[in-house]
Amino acid sequence: NAGVTQTPKFQVLKTGQSMTLQCAQDMNHNSMYWYRQDPGMGLRLIYYSASEGTTDKGEVPNGYNVSRLNKREFSLRLESAAPSQTSVYFCASSAAAGTKDTQYFGPGTRLTVL
Amino acid sequence: KNEVEQSPQNLTAQEGEFITINCSYSVGISALHWLQQHPGGGIVSLFMLSSGKKKHGRLIATINIQEKHSSLHITASHPRDSAVYICAVRSIEGSNYKLTFGKGTLLTVNP
Repeated sequence: NAGVTQTPKFQVLKTGQSMTLQCAQDMNHNSMYWYRQDPGMGLRLIYYSASEGTTDKGEVPNGYNVSRLNKREFSLRLESAAPSQTSVYFCASSAAAGTKDTQYFGPGTRLTVL
Repeated sequence: KNEVEQSPQNLTAQEGEFITINCSYSVGISALHWLQQHPGGGIVSLFMLSSGKKKHGRLIATINIQEKHSSLHITASHPRDSAVYICAVRSIEGSNYKLTFGKGTLLTVNP
């Protein structure tokens, strides 16, 4: 099993460009999450998907959109990138709904917006 | 004030030492997670606690719900334990899907 995979690993964008971060899990998990990690701050939840067909905003959703394409895949889209979105992005998944279950993280995507 | 505070922020130890990392939180919680982030960036879940104590190998996690405090202990530390250790809590009043994370403790174990 690959676990949680993310693509790309690194990306550099110019202000105003758009891109989609891809995430897939092969553990048949119900819930999936997108986080961002910034220096000096804890991980923050951007969006989550409790189950296939549902998505909800997290703590810092502005400037992002998500799609739960199927049970395996959960993508994060930046429509018009801004320098404030420079960060490391992690996708995670958990078997059961909610955060009382172990979360499994992808390797991260390091995004720089110039 | 952050809901989750970790101490110390940085910790340097010699191989073989007993290590303690602390996590204090200010809200009522239903679960607390300890995670490890390696220098390469990958994040691994170590423990999830709602009460008492859990042990896995050389790692021990404890939680005191009344005092709103948890500790992560590493016995017989080794250079491969060098990583950032992160505490995260699920508030009983918040979304079932939201964890609040601490800023992490950077542990360096020297040979």
